[in-house]
Amino acid sequence: AQKITQTQPGMFVQEKEAVTLDCTYDTSDQSYGLFWYKQPSSGEMIFLIYQGSYDEQNATEGRYSLNFQKARKSANLVISASQLGDSAMYFCAMERGSTLGRLYFGRGTQLTVWP
Amino acid sequence: DTAVSQTPKYLVTQMGNDKSIKCEQNLGHDTMYWYKQDSKKFLKIMFSYNNKELIINETVPNRFSPKSPDKAHLNLHINSLELGDSAVYFCASSQIPLGGGGSGEEKLFFGSGTQLSVL
Repeated sequence: AQKITQTQPGMFVQEKEAVTLDCTYDTSDQSYGLFWYKQPSSGEMIFLIYQGSYDEQNATEGRYSLNFQKARKSANLVISASQLGDSAMYFCAMERGSTLGRLYFGRGTQLTVWP
Repeated sequence: DTAVSQTPKYLVTQMGNDKSIKCEQNLGHDTMYWYKQDSKKFLKIMFSYNNKELIINETVPNRFSPKSPDKAHLNLHINSLELGDSAVYFCASSQIPLGGGGSGEEKLFFGSGTQLSVL
């Protein structure tokens, strides 16, 4: 079974500091993709960043980067220069190459950014 | 312009009733989904349709019936609502690349969710 683990139910970070949200995954597939989504208190799901299993470089999107360590099966999200608006629930998700678009989600990490 | 829109945003109803949630996407995507987010925020896929054809049907009670009149619409009808059906239901869409994935093009675009409360 595919599994995504986010071990941090809650994280706190001061504004302008960097924060790392952990995600580990379990799959026997060679081809897979890893996604991070943000869910603010308003409830919508916002795509942040993607990493393919064959990508050799870590993905980056603005202040977001994904620390991909394939051998350890981890895909941590790094948010640099945190902003108050980053306070939200963050979900890590995985898709298998054989079932594109179907995402398996972790249970999320609630990030709180304080001034 | 809203990419994936679902209505209603809030749905409060009595046990035993039948209700529907509508979803429309204007992104031209071929694939649409229903996800359920429970009270602990856990998101799980329920159904997936590709070009009006059902391709994923998780272990969901048959009281839940998705219907896709065309590839831009995927509605969810729920019969005989139960207390345990209370959750947030998200519609989503994506475009599965013909050549396979690997670039993240197939990322999901989500609607804003429907908060269903069964009393």
